[in-house]
Amino acid sequence: GAVVSQHPSRVICKSGTSVKIECRSLDFQATTMFWYRQFPKQSLMLMATSNEGSKATYEQGVEKDKFLINHASLTLSTLTVTSAHPEDSSFYICSASSGQIQNSPLHFGNGTRLTVT
Amino acid sequence: DAKTTQPPSMDCAEGRAANLPCNHSTISGNEYVYWYRQIHSQGPQYIIHGLKNNETNEMASLIITEDRKSSTLILPHATLRDTAVYYCIVRPPPGDKIIFGKGTRLHILP
Repeated sequence: GAVVSQHPSRVICKSGTSVKIECRSLDFQATTMFWYRQFPKQSLMLMATSNEGSKATYEQGVEKDKFLINHASLTLSTLTVTSAHPEDSSFYICSASSGQIQNSPLHFGNGTRLTVT
Repeated sequence: DAKTTQPPSMDCAEGRAANLPCNHSTISGNEYVYWYRQIHSQGPQYIIHGLKNNETNEMASLIITEDRKSSTLILPHATLRDTAVYYCIVRPPPGDKIIFGKGTRLHILP
């Protein structure tokens, strides 16, 4: 079945540094990708929606200059957490859709556990 | 806001059928119901989806009421590995954002 690969699965960085997370659709073209973050024992919270070749649409309260999203190709989207701080520590998950129809499952990466020290 | 409501938690004995309910009373006629589950520290895993008719696959069955305002996910023979948080979501038109509710934490009891 369709697979979404997310890398790295775990990263520890120092406060003030930037971290890039990659999300790849391995066997399908993803015109739309979504980025979520999840705190312990909470649900997934949508951060932004990105469409290939255009700027991402950010949810209210998500700083676009802090969470840079690039969706340069139909198989790759990246999320860069700039100048990370301990409060950015979270579980980040990407998802991708293989089609422009609703009868097409959304596939998720396995997430990236970010710890900022 | 999420368009679905689910009980926060449920218990089910191993080997029995687990029936997880979901309310989506504001669902539109062209919106699909999707079910995912999330095992600790992993990304959500797709289970099943449907529009109007009941659906079955190797993982589960999905029963959607005639008025489409609610649905039930059925795991026919629950095992310990089915312990997870189960999310019911309403799939909006393509390109629209997909919002997750709080899901149901399913505990399978040995």
